[in-house]
Amino acid sequence: GQNIDQPTEMTATEGAIVQINCTYQTSGFNGLFWYQQHAGEAPTFLSYNVLDGLEEKGRFSSFLSRSKGYSYLLLKELQMKDSASYLCAALDSNYQLIWGAGTKLIIKP
Amino acid sequence: ETGVTQTPRHLVMGMTNKKSLKCEQHLGHNAMYWYKQSAKKPLELMFVYSLEERVENNSVPSRFSPECPNSSHLFLHLHTLQPEDSALYLCASSQAEGAADEQYFGPGTRLTVT
Repeated sequence: GQNIDQPTEMTATEGAIVQINCTYQTSGFNGLFWYQQHAGEAPTFLSYNVLDGLEEKGRFSSFLSRSKGYSYLLLKELQMKDSASYLCAALDSNYQLIWGAGTKLIIKP
Repeated sequence: ETGVTQTPRHLVMGMTNKKSLKCEQHLGHNAMYWYKQSAKKPLELMFVYSLEERVENNSVPSRFSPECPNSSHLFLHLHTLQPEDSALYLCASSQAEGAADEQYFGPGTRLTVT
């Protein structure tokens, strides 16, 4: 079956760095997405990786290893507004998105 | 108005009621989606429309009935729902279906079935 695993909840301190991991098992692979969802709001797109390596976008970076079925989202210089759920989703061979249950990130002052 | 809008934002209905959820996208996208989001569970894809034709129906109970009258509007008609259908219902759109396009989500309708 197809599956995405990510931690349920993480806690970090304002100003610090946090890494949210995601492992995937899909039938074929056409890339991996990260979305951010604040409580009560719509998910919003953060990143898309299809090639191995790290892609940096401001304070956020996303990494992909296709051979390991692994991705992470790296958040630097954490701010209180980064408190949200982070959703990992892999695109399978049929271009269907397989979603993880999300990681709730709690930022403490 | 821009992006993806959904109405109503909150809905409480009894199991014998009939109601409809509305989604509208102002992005000129060709694909639209309905998702169910329950606490601590992955997003569940319910329906996909591409150019107003349904291309995906993931074994959703018939008490959920989608309608896509044009590429900008999507409805989800609800009837004789069960308490376990209480969830956040999200609408999304993307440039095309079956491609590596990011999806744009609406704010969702929080549905409570009593």
